[in-house]
Amino acid sequence: GAVVSQHPSRVICKSGTSVKIECRSLDFQATTMFWYRQFPKQSLMLMATSNEGSKATYEQGVEKDKFLINHASLTLSTLTVTSAHPEDSSFYICSASGQPVTEAFFGQGTRLTVV
Amino acid sequence: QKEVEQDPGPLSVPEGAIVSLNCTYSNSAFQYFMWYRQYSRKGPELLMYTYSSGNKEDGRFTAQVDKSSKYISLFIRDSQPSDSATYLCAMTTGGYNKLIFGAGTRLAVHP
Repeated sequence: GAVVSQHPSRVICKSGTSVKIECRSLDFQATTMFWYRQFPKQSLMLMATSNEGSKATYEQGVEKDKFLINHASLTLSTLTVTSAHPEDSSFYICSASGQPVTEAFFGQGTRLTVV
Repeated sequence: QKEVEQDPGPLSVPEGAIVSLNCTYSNSAFQYFMWYRQYSRKGPELLMYTYSSGNKEDGRFTAQVDKSSKYISLFIRDSQPSDSATYLCAMTTGGYNKLIFGAGTRLAVHP
């Protein structure tokens, strides 16, 4: 399958700071990227969908000013958690797909801990 | 009613058993079906991808789609302890639409 690289795999930050997570598709053009949040022993919760060159579409209840998503190229999307708080601590995962969306490939995930 | 229903388990089987994992869905517009395997604290890994009704086989894994019944299955033959993970079904209508995931089934294969 296609390779999607997500970085960093783990990050600890202080409350009030911002954290950027990168998601790169290494061997295909990712027209669409999805960002998920996952709590322990729960399924994936879609946060937003981004198409290359367009603004991200956020799911209901997700604050777009807090979770900034940029998808500037066909190989890179970033999620920035702004003014992080302890309740933002979670496992964040990206996935990438071509167009149309028929299958998606996931990154390794980023474990964010806000202290 | 959720669009995709999947029994969360846990499912515990002995090594060598045949495992059957299932999902049902309500949206007849779903065209593409996937099974992912997720180990603890890792991103999901795509196992199987199918489009049409019928069976698709890849090694010990067989994916089955029955669009008339809105039912998909993943069979694992000769299960191994390394198959212990959470298995997620996912589906989409295609186009610009997102994937819809099941809740995931936790599988434990014991020696």
